[in-house]
Amino acid sequence: DVKVTQSSRYLVKRTGEKVFLECVQDMDHENMFWYRQDPGLGLRLIYFSYDVKMKEKGDIPEGYSVSREKKERFSLILESASTNQTSMYLCASRPTGGRGYTFGSGTRLTVV
Amino acid sequence: KQEVTQIPAALSVPEGENLVLNCSFTDSAIYNLQWFRQDPGKGLTSLLLIQSSQREQTSGRLNASLDKSSGRSTLYIAASQPGDSATYLCAVIHAGGTSYGKLTFGQGTILTVHP
Repeated sequence: DVKVTQSSRYLVKRTGEKVFLECVQDMDHENMFWYRQDPGLGLRLIYFSYDVKMKEKGDIPEGYSVSREKKERFSLILESASTNQTSMYLCASRPTGGRGYTFGSGTRLTVV
Repeated sequence: KQEVTQIPAALSVPEGENLVLNCSFTDSAIYNLQWFRQDPGKGLTSLLLIQSSQREQTSGRLNASLDKSSGRSTLYIAASQPGDSATYLCAVIHAGGTSYGKLTFGQGTILTVHP
């Protein structure tokens, strides 16, 4: 089975801190995605990547950046964390060519 | 713009009932449709993936159907159990244009199965 592993289940960070959320997949998928999930707003796409060193903005990229130096790893970076970035963050991967998405177990980030 | 709607928003049933969750989408140009389950505070678990050329998929007590032309999918759960309690999310994978390969989610159906 494909596994998508998010390094932290829970994180608490202070306003203004630089925050790194890490995601690793073990099935050589080309495509990786970062979503955030908020009550009443559903899942929203932050950034995605179709290949190593490639990145594309999703629907809500403001305040975030990403890094994909290796195929298996996709990092989400909060340059200066703010309280409105308190959320559940979900990483996903998908192979090119017709298969579905596999999601990680999520990181609950609280910014205080 | 693709919109995905799930009905009902919440459902509470006694154990043992068969039930149907509904999903509709506005743009039939989809690549695949995927049903997920989410437990509180957890990530998404894939239940079934239906390719656009398929009509249905089955896994155990779950059966999902797809009618692309009418923009509808249903998830059928047979003989429901308390362990089925979760939020069920429907998502379409876009077929073309600048949204190729991206997901659009419905808002989910919160299912409670009581003993």
